[in-house]
Amino acid sequence: AQSVTQLDSHVSVSEGTPVLLRCNYSSSYSPSLFWYVQHPNKGLQLLLKYTSAATLVKGINGFEAEFKKSETSFHLTKPSAHMSDAAEYFCVVSKYSSYKLIFGSGTRLLVRP
Amino acid sequence: DSGVTQTPKHLITATGQRVTLRCSPRSGDLSVYWYQQSLDQGLQFLIHYYNGEERAKGNILERFSAQQFPDLHSELNLSSLELGDSALYFCASSVGGTEYGYTFGSGTRLTVV
Repeated sequence: AQSVTQLDSHVSVSEGTPVLLRCNYSSSYSPSLFWYVQHPNKGLQLLLKYTSAATLVKGINGFEAEFKKSETSFHLTKPSAHMSDAAEYFCVVSKYSSYKLIFGSGTRLLVRP
Repeated sequence: DSGVTQTPKHLITATGQRVTLRCSPRSGDLSVYWYQQSLDQGLQFLIHYYNGEERAKGNILERFSAQQFPDLHSELNLSSLELGDSALYFCASSVGGTEYGYTFGSGTRLTVV
């Protein structure tokens, strides 16, 4: 069975400082991992995905994530936060080639001016 | 615009009523998924259709049903509505398995009063 744990429900950073959103996963199979972002009153947008190719995955808007099998982690990072990054971020796991996504509980990112 | 269209955007209805939510997938996508997002349950997978056939069921109540039509649009029917059904209902589409990622619509916010 697959599951995902987002370690922080809220993260607050100052504009221009690095962002780290933490995610640990559990999977009996080689997982596919994703990060989605949800801005207020908007749908979910795919930021990036890992599907057993390169372990460092680059996404949109300067975000990237590193798949670490030994630590069962898939943390999301960005070198410099922008005000427009304020949103809720979801770490998601799936069995490769399956059709079902399992969402974490979400991390709300606040960006202070 | 993600290419996945959901209507209506907002819906307010009374307990005991029945509503239909509609989703048009992105052009070329054969799979449609329905998810429910509520404050207490987070994002929950409801059901998946592929080219008109039901492929997987998640935490979908018996009062809820869905179908995918020959033109690939999908409808989610919610009946005997209860206050607890108030939530954001998302539709997503994909061309294949999860390794391709999903494209989400902007959701239908259902309020049951």
